Amino acid sequence: QKEVEQDPGPLSVPEGAIVSLNCTYSNSAFQYFMWYRQYSRKGPELLMYTYSSGNKEDGRFTAQVDKSSKYISLFIRDSQPSDSATYLCAMRGGSEKLVFGKGMKLTVNP
Amino acid sequence: DTGVSQDPRHKITKRGQNVTFRCDPISEHNRLYWYRQTLGQGPEFLTYFQNEAQLEKSRLLSDRFSAERPKGSFSTLEIQRTEQGDSAMYLCASSPLPPSGNTIYFGEGSWLTVV
Repeated sequence: QKEVEQDPGPLSVPEGAIVSLNCTYSNSAFQYFMWYRQYSRKGPELLMYTYSSGNKEDGRFTAQVDKSSKYISLFIRDSQPSDSATYLCAMRGGSEKLVFGKGMKLTVNP
Repeated sequence: DTGVSQDPRHKITKRGQNVTFRCDPISEHNRLYWYRQTLGQGPEFLTYFQNEAQLEKSRLLSDRFSAERPKGSFSTLEIQRTEQGDSAMYLCASSPLPPSGNTIYFGEGSWLTVV
């Protein structure tokens, strides 16, 4: 079993839809959780960072962490064509090593 | 803040040749990381520096791979005797020390194609 599981999709939604992206993990030591956005042939761009359990909101983006279920989510409200990208979850515990999911490819259609 | 800078952005090399990538982190960041990403996969951790000290290395970092950060500023990643399986994007990232050190910022990556 991989430490971090993420459905690679692809996911296609109409403009304005609410998008839900999820990851599960197996390592209970993980306590720092991040979501990155990656455009084709570019480096990952940090979107959201959450420590431990709870919710965090930033504009149209909401990150949720449920440590009891080992489940994290990213919600995108009022999705735009410019949100079309690959979304990567990443997490770490006491080590400096970030463990990534495979990434979910999202397309928002105008 | 100019971000993490990587050079070259693209490199095509013949199998068996050596290649070197350079990374310039964000100026006030003490921590520097190297990751490798292949198509359809998330980045995989290779190694981590705090200042000039290499503190963590992945098993992915075979004997053909070596990374340095001689003065605690820029870093180089060298791959010797390249193989086709080394074809990937090599990502550098940096972060500051705590308490703000839990966010990691990536560069644009260096694409390697081994032919």
